[in-house]
Amino acid sequence: EPEVTQTPSHQVTQMGQEVILRCVPISNHLYFYWYRQILGQKVEFLVSFYNNEISEKSEIFDDQFSVERPDGSNFTLKIRSTKLEDSAMYFCASRFRPYGYTFGSGTRLTVV
Amino acid sequence: AQTVTQSQPEMSVQEAETVTLSCTYDTSESDYYLFWYKQPPSRQMILVIRQEAYKQQNATENRFSVNFQKAAKSFSLKISDSQLGDAAMYFCAYRSAGASGSRLTFGEGTQLTVNP
Repeated sequence: EPEVTQTPSHQVTQMGQEVILRCVPISNHLYFYWYRQILGQKVEFLVSFYNNEISEKSEIFDDQFSVERPDGSNFTLKIRSTKLEDSAMYFCASRFRPYGYTFGSGTRLTVV
Repeated sequence: AQTVTQSQPEMSVQEAETVTLSCTYDTSESDYYLFWYKQPPSRQMILVIRQEAYKQQNATENRFSVNFQKAAKSFSLKISDSQLGDAAMYFCAYRSAGASGSRLTFGEGTQLTVNP
C-alpha cells in the first residue's frame, strides 16, 4: 500500500535555528497537509496545499512557517527561527479522495 | 468553527470484551465526514473508520463500528472482541465536505488500555 514518507524521524535543533521537515506524499494525491501534535495534546492543523499554493492555514501558521513543493514530489515545511514551543511531532498527510487522508509517520522536532 | 470533544481521557477494557469511546462535535453544516484514528505508541496516525454524514447507515469495519447520531451530533466508536493490539490513543476527527475547507479537526483523544 502506498505510504507518505517523512524525514527525518527525529530532529534536534537549537533555538533560533531554521529547520526543514520533508515529506514525500503519495504520487497521485493532490492535496497536502501539515499537522502538529505537542506531546500529550491533540493533533492541530497547520496548513493545506493544493495546486502549488496554500489553500488554508491556521492561526498557528504564522510568518515563521512556510511550505513548498520544490520538485513535484517533495513537500516541505520550513520553520525559520525555531522556538522552544515548536517542539512537537509534525505529521504530513496527503489525500486524493475527499476522505482518503494518509498520514506519514511523523517527525519529532525537539528545540533545545 | 467546528469543535470536536472527547470527554473520556482514558478508558480500559478487558481483552475480548467490548468498549465504546465517545465523541461529540459541534457544527452548523449539514454535510461532513467523521473519522476515528488510532495512534499507537509509534505515534503513526492510522485510520480506523469513517462516516459520511449523508449516510444514515452506521459504518462498520470488522470489529469496529460507529453509532452516528446526526441530530445529537454524536459519533461513538465501538470496539468488539478487544485485542491487546487495540491499545492506543484514539482520536475522533471532523472534516467539512464543503469546498472551502478540507482540514481535519481533532478531539483531545482517548487513551485506551486493554487488560489481558
